[in-house]
Amino acid sequence: DAGVTQSPTHLIKTRGQQVTLRCSPKSGHDTVSWYQQALGQGPQFIFQYYEEEERQRGNFPDRFSGHQFPNYSSELNVNALLLGDSALYLCASSLGTSRRHYEQYFGPGTRLTVT
Amino acid sequence: AQSVAQPEDQVNVAEGNPLTVKCTYSVSGNPYLFWYVQYPNRGLQFLLKYITGDNLVKGSYGFEAEFNKSQTSFHLKKPSALVSDSALYFCAVRGGDSTLTFGKGTMLLVSP
Repeated sequence: DAGVTQSPTHLIKTRGQQVTLRCSPKSGHDTVSWYQQALGQGPQFIFQYYEEEERQRGNFPDRFSGHQFPNYSSELNVNALLLGDSALYLCASSLGTSRRHYEQYFGPGTRLTVT
Repeated sequence: AQSVAQPEDQVNVAEGNPLTVKCTYSVSGNPYLFWYVQYPNRGLQFLLKYITGDNLVKGSYGFEAEFNKSQTSFHLKKPSALVSDSALYFCAVRGGDSTLTFGKGTMLLVSP
C-alpha cells in the first residue's frame, strides 16, 4: 500500500519564477491538504482540497493556488516566488473533510529553495 | 482561532529514563489532538491521537499521551527513552473547521 508521495524532492527556483509541486495521496484517501514548513517552525496550513474543490484555506496570499484531479492527486502552484517562500512543502492525505478525528498521513515533502 | 503551544524548544533525556514532551492547546468545542514525529529530511509520522474517552492514549513505538481537559494539556510520554527516539515532535489540534494547527515543535535528544 503506497503512502503519500510527492515530487520533486528538491527544487531550486529564482525569485519571481513560478513553481508546481505534486502530490499523490495514500490509497483510499480522497482529501489532500498542503502545508508550508519554514526552517525551525511547525507546518502551517495552506489549503485543503476535496472533490476537486478548495474547501479550507489558511492565511496565505493568492500567489498560492492548487488543484485536485479526479484521481485525488493534487498540485500546489506558487507564482511570483519570494525568498520567504523557501520552505519544506508537505502534502497530507486523509479520508473526508468531515471526519475530524481521522489522522492525516504526510508525504516526505518537497524542499523549495528560492534564490 | 485554535492554537498549540509547545513550551520547550528542546528536551534532553538519558536513554532508559522516562520522557515527557509538553503541549497545551486552545480550541473551541471538543478538541481532537494529535502527536506527530519528524526525522531529519522526512515528512511527519503519526504517533497517536485523542478523540474521546480514556484520558491516557497509547500510540506507536511505546509512546503515550495524557489528555487533561482542565489544564488544556496533551503531554507526550514514554516510560523508557531510546536513542532512536531522538527527533522533532509536533503536537497538533483540530477544531470545528477541521483544519490542523501545529505547535512549533520540540526537539527530543536522547543521550546514550
